[in-house]
Amino acid sequence: TQLLEQSPQFLSIQEGENLTVYCNSSSVFSSLQWYRQEPGEGPVLLVTVVTGGEVKKLKRLTFQFGDARKDSSLHITAAQPGDTGLYLCAWRTSNYQLIWGAGTKLIIKP
Amino acid sequence: DAGVIQSPRHEVTEMGQEVTLRCKPISGHDYLFWYRQTMMRGLELLIYFNNNVPIDDSGMPEDRFSAKMPNASFSTLKIQPSEPRDSAVYFCASSLEGNTIYFGEGSWLTVV
Repeated sequence: TQLLEQSPQFLSIQEGENLTVYCNSSSVFSSLQWYRQEPGEGPVLLVTVVTGGEVKKLKRLTFQFGDARKDSSLHITAAQPGDTGLYLCAWRTSNYQLIWGAGTKLIIKP
Repeated sequence: DAGVIQSPRHEVTEMGQEVTLRCKPISGHDYLFWYRQTMMRGLELLIYFNNNVPIDDSGMPEDRFSAKMPNASFSTLKIQPSEPRDSAVYFCASSLEGNTIYFGEGSWLTVV
């Protein structure tokens, strides 16, 4: 069982639709991070959420940290083909390692 | 500024051969990480260094894997002998203390 469970594993939607992906755990985290990995590239950090209930926006992407700091969500409004990629949540440990979820593979069809 | 630079980008080798993957971290970064990514297991930390010293190698699969960081600007990950199950994308990443971790583009290894 993974520490961070991401759902769905795979999502394919049409351009312009909205979507939400989830990162859940039974553990409490001091913070969680979201990364996007495009095909043939390494993961790139999108955001770090730190405070329970926190909401951060990055253009059309909205990230939320659960009140109990056990889960997080990523909502994309009006998805575009450029949003295609693997979305990974991760926990940065106290010694700076990253513990990863398995990721949500997102495909946005034009 | 240059990011994390990895080489080779792609390598196809025969089972039993030695494979050496190379990494140049971002200048000034004091942490260097080696990750492996597969469809089955996702991203796994293999080993990480702090100030060129290996801190945690518990993720290294077995004795066939070794990593070195002879100086602050260079690290290698070596597999000897390689096996088909080692086929994966190997990422090097670096960071400055607790700040953002930056990943290279990865080395795509296929062992046939």
